[in-house]
Amino acid sequence: NAGVTQTPKFRVLKTGQSMTLLCAQDMNHEYMYWYRQDPGMGLRLIHYSVGEGTTAKGEVPDGYNVSRLKKQNFLLGLESAAPSQTSVYFCASNGPGLAQETQYFGPGTRLLVL
Amino acid sequence: AQSVTQPDIHITVSEGASLELRCNYSYGATPYLFWYVQSPGQGLQLLLKYFSGDTLVQGIKGFEAEFKRSQSSFNLRKPSVHWSDAAEYFCAVGGGGGADGLTFGKGTHLIIQP
Repeated sequence: NAGVTQTPKFRVLKTGQSMTLLCAQDMNHEYMYWYRQDPGMGLRLIHYSVGEGTTAKGEVPDGYNVSRLKKQNFLLGLESAAPSQTSVYFCASNGPGLAQETQYFGPGTRLLVL
Repeated sequence: AQSVTQPDIHITVSEGASLELRCNYSYGATPYLFWYVQSPGQGLQLLLKYFSGDTLVQGIKGFEAEFKRSQSSFNLRKPSVHWSDAAEYFCAVGGGGGADGLTFGKGTHLIIQP
């Protein structure tokens, strides 16, 4: 059981470039999330998904798109990267129901936009 | 809107001393409360969680937290800290069903003095 994995671990982009961050979970979880972490800001929710084929906006969705084509994968896309998107990105997942409220986090992806 | 306040940005504690990290939340319904720990360059690890029932919850690594509805607080405690406890600590609140993601506080950076 690998839990939640994220690819890549680190990436440097130039302003205007695009990229996709991949999150994969092997726990058969319904819900998946993308957060960004910035110094002194804690974690903020970007987008989330409550099941395959569904996505919804979180607190800070602008500049990002997501897709959940397969239950185990949740992709975060940056179409035209900006320096303000320099951050550490965390993916998380959990199952539905009270007993499954706990979110399990991936190791994070560090993104630097120059 | 839900929110979490961690009043202390940094806390310094001597090794072997007791620890209390403060967390206050704002949530319209019954909150689901969590404490996560993040070591430098790492992802988030769940320390403990409160859903219902006994208001004093035990977690991993000797941590405990007490839910006080009247004070809207969920403070984290440890009777004797170890140097390995130095890390960033995040309090988070979520709703039922796990669909909407978690709202995190900005974190408390714990420094352990020898």
